[in-house]
Amino acid sequence: GDSVTQMEGPVTLSEEAFLTINCTYTATGYPSLFWYVQYPGEGLQLLLKATKADDKGSNKGFEATYRKETTSFHLEKGSVQVSDSAVYFCALTLNNAGNMLTFGGGTRLMVKP
Amino acid sequence: DVKVTQSSRYLVKRTGEKVFLECVQDMDHENMFWYRQDPGLGLRLIYFSYDVKMKEKGDIPEGYSVSREKKERFSLILESASTNQTSMYLCASSLWTRSPSEETQYFGPGTRLLVL
Repeated sequence: GDSVTQMEGPVTLSEEAFLTINCTYTATGYPSLFWYVQYPGEGLQLLLKATKADDKGSNKGFEATYRKETTSFHLEKGSVQVSDSAVYFCALTLNNAGNMLTFGGGTRLMVKP
Repeated sequence: DVKVTQSSRYLVKRTGEKVFLECVQDMDHENMFWYRQDPGLGLRLIYFSYDVKMKEKGDIPEGYSVSREKKERFSLILESASTNQTSMYLCASSLWTRSPSEETQYFGPGTRLLVL
């Protein structure tokens, strides 16, 4: 079946460090890909998305590029802040799956001042 | 502002009790979802609903049921709570879109349920 695999956390970085959180997927069709973020004590919120190969999603300094050849959608940020500390979820949906999302296991990011 | 609310942030119940988790959205969304969130497993879909009185099983429906009598409200029911249902439960809603690539789900803050 369809699945999403993320690197295990926690990822601990110092402020202004470069961030990469890896995400790879397996899917029977051509998925749309998403990153959601969950700040402490809150629900998930959409961070960015990409709907076709080579698309780049971006928001709040975060970027991710849809790589069909490597079935990946890695999340990157050039300079993290303490306020970026959260859990990040990679997810996909397929055109034949209605509105259902398949989530990865989540990666906790901790940014220290 | 988009709002999904859940009836409780924390809940403690005993094994065998019937448990109701309520979710309300104020965005007139057609779709509503119930997930459980467990460390390392991410979010797993329990049930979802495309419309009033309609429901579809997700990946892990066993031990759960749902009710959607009004468009804005989606209830998750644990008929007889068990300790393996201790988890964080998240409700979400989304607008119906012709293209799933336009899907954006809005989440509530979650209910942390402990079953003793």
